[in-house]
Amino acid sequence: DIPMTQSPSTLSASVGDRVTITCRASESVGRWLAWFQQKPGKAPKLLIYKASTLQSGVPSRFSGSGFGTEFTLTISSLQPDDFATYYCQQHNTLWSFGRGTKVEI
Amino acid sequence: QLQLRESGPGLVKPWETLSLTCTVSSGSITSGTYYWGWIRQPPGKGLEWIGAVYYNGNTYYDPSLRSRVTISLDTSKNQFSLRLTSVTAADTAVYYCSRLVSQLERLVDYWGQGTLVTVSS
Repeated sequence: DIPMTQSPSTLSASVGDRVTITCRASESVGRWLAWFQQKPGKAPKLLIYKASTLQSGVPSRFSGSGFGTEFTLTISSLQPDDFATYYCQQHNTLWSFGRGTKVEI
Repeated sequence: QLQLRESGPGLVKPWETLSLTCTVSSGSITSGTYYWGWIRQPPGKGLEWIGAVYYNGNTYYDPSLRSRVTISLDTSKNQFSLRLTSVTAADTAVYYCSRLVSQLERLVDYWGQGTLVTVSS
């Protein structure tokens, strides 16, 4: 499998902050990188796929970028509903997840 | 609207076999549009990929679990299932079934609500 390194593991932020999470793959995954949001006790929800395509219904304050081995998820202005854990996942060669980034107040 | 619902025992004894079923509420699992997969999450930890199955029966397993995992389709019931043999406490987790979009390189676009399976005597 392809190990995914996600950073930071925890991020403390305030409402209105710009937040960036990074995900690195051990080898190229092309554009086949997705971002998920998970809240406690709930299943993850798809936010972004193909590195930068916003899933339908996801607010435009979320954006993704990157190609190959380095990717970022950016929240332009953090809202109260955005405090959650975020995971990246590559699906170029089988599938593997990053370890998650908890965004907390 | 699509619903994925996991079902199965919530408690499994060590060294026994964990068996879960995912019922797909709309659309046929025999369509080539989607793959069907399983993902798990140990309590307080991150997401772990288990494997997936395609409509033709082809399977794709995480290397770390390959020797113990079987994922299969039951087309008559529009269900797919997970079997994990010789379980230990390390297999205690919330197990999610999922849908993967074949035209987007098997992107996971939909998740079931998850079911907690505890391995304990």
